[in-house]
Amino acid sequence: DQQVKQNSPSLSVQEGRISILNCDYTNSMFDYFLWYKKYPAEGPTFLISISSIKDKNEDGRFTVFLNKSAKHLSLHIVPSQPGDSAVYFCAASYNYGQNIVFGPGTRLSVLP
Amino acid sequence: DGGITQSPKYLFRKEGQNVTLSCEQNLNHDAMYWYRQDPGQGLRLIYYSQIVNDFQKGDIAEGYSVSREKKESFPLPVTSAQKNPTAFYLCASSIGTGGAYEQYFGPGTRLTVT
Repeated sequence: DQQVKQNSPSLSVQEGRISILNCDYTNSMFDYFLWYKKYPAEGPTFLISISSIKDKNEDGRFTVFLNKSAKHLSLHIVPSQPGDSAVYFCAASYNYGQNIVFGPGTRLSVLP
Repeated sequence: DGGITQSPKYLFRKEGQNVTLSCEQNLNHDAMYWYRQDPGQGLRLIYYSQIVNDFQKGDIAEGYSVSREKKESFPLPVTSAQKNPTAFYLCASSIGTGGAYEQYFGPGTRLTVT
């Protein structure tokens, strides 16, 4: 049973618009969440993270929102650029836990 | 340049042949990880190592075995004991274990066993 779910396998957005990638989790013990981005033929790279004591974390065009009561987080990319086209993995961990649990990923395509 | 390397990028083997996937890092990280990715699934942890001569099973360790003799190296043998070895394998490293530590990934090795 997947503990981290990304129910949209793919998403297409027009350049300049907002991209919203969603992630749900089932384990209420998770208290640290991360987003990784992966281009074809490359390993994932860390994008942004959020601790459960916060509900929002912003880094440039990227913002992650966390709704603990709903066990839901989302990644907003504004404005979207063609270079953002990649697979985005949501991940969760216990803080100082032993490992990270990854979701299945969402493929984002930003159309020029 | 510091980083994590995996070789080769593509590997083809016949069923019954054993192979070892290479993973090397020069980031001076203590922790290293092996993940596999199958179509439609996220990265699933095979094994991780917090420090030299230590390793722990991940979620899908069955059929795999590892060792960690050097800080910079964490090879993954793939033998006939692994029932479905065809997959994309990713190695990662981090300063420490746990979500608070960013994992740095290698480019991956796509293994095809026929």
